[in-house]
Amino acid sequence: LAKTTQPISMDSYEGQEVNITCSHNNIATNDYITWYQQFPSQGPRFIIQGYKTKVTNEVASLFIPADRKSSTLSLPRVSLSDTAVYYCLVGDKNAGNMLTFGGGTRLMVKP
Amino acid sequence: NAGVTQTPKFRVLKTGQSMTLLCAQDMNHEYMYWYRQDPGMGLRLIHYSVGEGTTAKGEVPDGYNVSRLKKQNFLLGLESAAPSQTSVYFCASSSTGHINQPQHFGDGTRLSIL
Repeated sequence: LAKTTQPISMDSYEGQEVNITCSHNNIATNDYITWYQQFPSQGPRFIIQGYKTKVTNEVASLFIPADRKSSTLSLPRVSLSDTAVYYCLVGDKNAGNMLTFGGGTRLMVKP
Repeated sequence: NAGVTQTPKFRVLKTGQSMTLLCAQDMNHEYMYWYRQDPGMGLRLIHYSVGEGTTAKGEVPDGYNVSRLKKQNFLLGLESAAPSQTSVYFCASSSTGHINQPQHFGDGTRLSIL
């Protein structure tokens, strides 16, 4: 599975847009990019997934450049409740049963 | 809508004791997983199952055993608990092993081994 690199932590303020970038230089042709969110004392929760260009849902947007060597999770107008750890995972379509969660990015949203 | 339920939520054991963690899902999912999460770290896969009656090793299987006798349940056993197994244990399930099928997680079991 492709190795990913994310910032260890980020701070933001309520109402701001937050962008978390994940590097995956050795991503393979068939790999998908998936993001999970984990609140304190809870299990991770799927946020968004993409293969190329841009994906948007009710929670976030995912931007993937043409070379796919990185991806950016964008959270619009964050609130205190968005304080969590965000994990970037990369794997091919059959890798769902061997997901590798790295250390993730700890996002702290301040009032 | 319960989703994935883990029992117990907290447990303290003495070194050498054994115990079983129970995971139950009500989504009729084929795949189930056990992870451990150490403080400040990501999740590491212990064992997983691709269907009733099957199990497979993950990244860190040593010291653990699992069983999937019923589709909705996945049991994680510690035969002889060691302090290094102090961790938060998460169970998850998914409909298939395809990466675009998200895993649904329980809220974890916090286990301390003294």
